[in-house]
Amino acid sequence: GAVVSQHPSWVICKSGTSVKIECRSLDFQATTMFWYRQFPKQSLMLMATSNEGSKATYEQGVEKDKFLINHASLTLSTLTVTSAHPEDSSFYICSASHTGLAIDEQFFGPGTRLTVL
Amino acid sequence: DAKTTQPTSMDCAEGRAANLPCNHSTISGNEYVYWYRQIHSQGPQYIIHGLKNNETNEMASLIITEDRKSSTLILPHATLRDTAVYYCIVRVGDTDKLIFGTGTRLQVFP
Repeated sequence: GAVVSQHPSWVICKSGTSVKIECRSLDFQATTMFWYRQFPKQSLMLMATSNEGSKATYEQGVEKDKFLINHASLTLSTLTVTSAHPEDSSFYICSASHTGLAIDEQFFGPGTRLTVL
Repeated sequence: DAKTTQPTSMDCAEGRAANLPCNHSTISGNEYVYWYRQIHSQGPQYIIHGLKNNETNEMASLIITEDRKSSTLILPHATLRDTAVYYCIVRVGDTDKLIFGTGTRLQVFP
């Protein structure tokens, strides 16, 4: 199956700093990428949907000015957590899809664990 | 959005078949049923999906009832590595959005 990578796999930062997480589709062109957040012992929560070359669509309750998403190419999307606070500590997971493939499924990255001190 | 209901947890003996049920009574005619699983601290892994017909691949089988209001994921010979949270998801309309429910925590024991 297709491979999606995330970088970094984990990051620790101080409160008030910004953190950028990269999501790459390695062997296919992702027309759409998704960002999820997962707190311990909870399910994945969809944060936003991004299409290459256009603005991301955020789910209700997700602050677009705090979670900046850029999808500048068909293989790369980035999530920047601005002015991070301890409550932003979570497991962030991206996924990518390519409409038009015979099997239209989302391929998930391995996740990035963010800890804000 | 069609919601799904799954049991919170299930146990299965290694080597036995694991049958994971899912109810999706409000599913629309053009909505697919997807199954993903998540092993601890990893990203979800695609398992299988279907619309009306039963489906089988190298990982599992998906049985969808004729009225499409429920489905069952079957892992024919469960191994310890199949221990994970299994999510049954109905894809949202014509979009690619996958809305995850609470899933079933499957524990395979020796």
